[in-house]
Amino acid sequence: DTEVTQTPKHLVMGMTNKKSLKCEQHMGHRAMYWYKQKAKKPPELMFVYSYEKLSINESVPSRFSPECPNSSLLNLHLHALQPEDSALYLCASSQEITADTQYFGPGTRLTVL
Amino acid sequence: AQSVSQHNHHVILSEAASLELGCNYSYGGTVNLFWYVQYPGQHLQLLLKYFSGDPLVKGIKGFEAEFIKSKFSFNLRKPSVQWSDTAEYFCAVTGTDKLIFGTGTRLQVFP
Repeated sequence: DTEVTQTPKHLVMGMTNKKSLKCEQHMGHRAMYWYKQKAKKPPELMFVYSYEKLSINESVPSRFSPECPNSSLLNLHLHALQPEDSALYLCASSQEITADTQYFGPGTRLTVL
Repeated sequence: AQSVSQHNHHVILSEAASLELGCNYSYGGTVNLFWYVQYPGQHLQLLLKYFSGDPLVKGIKGFEAEFIKSKFSFNLRKPSVQWSDTAEYFCAVTGTDKLIFGTGTRLQVFP
């Protein structure tokens, strides 16, 4: 099973709202990732967690706040977003943080009004 | 720094035509190479990968790719495309802890 699940599938929020995106995997992977993907563009790496610790933050604005409650779950907390943050947010996981195969979830389509 | 180039931005083919999508990377060390596909409205799926061994790699749905180390290339091929292959194709490389994507190639297959 190489499934990564994400909820919700779609999210519409105002610029003053606080919301969270959730990601879950049960493959025993110890590395988890958040990517942002704009239409017809490749995914852009945002954050990497390894063994539940934040390993990489690609200079993402503080209005995005990741959290890894346990080895299977990854959250992305959103607050005071801008319309330009509207995008597809993808979660991925891999066995380790090294050059391993990453498996992607279906994404959350976020619209910021 | 690592980088990945996909020179074909948009490819249009008729069904049964052969496909070759180019991918070149820049990295001095050992790399792992991937092709991902994103069908319209769907998530990224792994088509195939190369870590080591036979440089000709076979993936799902009849796709294959050849790693040519001297050319820093990992081109994707399919002998006969189908309408259902219409999608965005991303080449990706990882040498350390990050997966670096190419800009993608949009493939449209017409019946």
